[in-house]
Amino acid sequence: QKEVEQDPGPLSVPEGAIVSLNCTYSNSAFQYFMWYRQYSRKGPELLMYTYSSGNKEDGRFTAQVDKSSKYISLFIRDSQPSDSATYLCAMSATGGFKTIFGAGTRLFVKA
Amino acid sequence: DGGITQSPKYLFRKEGQNVTLSCEQNLNHDAMYWYRQDPGQGLRLIYYSQIVNDFQKGDIAEGYSVSREKKESFPLTVTSAQKNPTAFYLCATVAGNNEQFFGPGTRLTVL
Repeated sequence: QKEVEQDPGPLSVPEGAIVSLNCTYSNSAFQYFMWYRQYSRKGPELLMYTYSSGNKEDGRFTAQVDKSSKYISLFIRDSQPSDSATYLCAMSATGGFKTIFGAGTRLFVKA
Repeated sequence: DGGITQSPKYLFRKEGQNVTLSCEQNLNHDAMYWYRQDPGQGLRLIYYSQIVNDFQKGDIAEGYSVSREKKESFPLTVTSAQKNPTAFYLCATVAGNNEQFFGPGTRLTVL
């Protein structure tokens, strides 16, 4: 079993839809949770960063962490064609040198 | 791309040839990482360096070598011992709170 599981998709939604992207993990030591957006042939860019459990909102993006279920989510409201990209979840433990990445979910937002 | 540059953007390698990928940063971060990205497999850690003149193997170090002579630079050499080098290579730096910042990547293709 992989430490981090992420559905690769692709996920296709109409413009304006609410998008839900998810990851599950097995290592209870993870404390730092991140979501990255990666456009084709580009490096990933950090979207959301959360420490421990709870919710964090930034514009149209909301990140949720449920440590009891070992489950994290990224919600995109009012999705736009420019949101079409691959979204990678990532997590690491306190004092750890390694960040574990999910395989990424490809999202297509249709105009 | 946030202060991290990678060159070249595209690189072609012949059989039996060593090639070196450049990564430079001006973020003043101590830690630098090299990842390999293949379709559907997420990011896999090749090497990382927490400080100048020190580096550690990641999960897939075989066939690769690195050096860290300067804080700003962390070049990766793909040797002829790496039998399947075709991939997208990403360099990253790490801030104190485990946030990772990525360069634009180098796409390596073996001919």
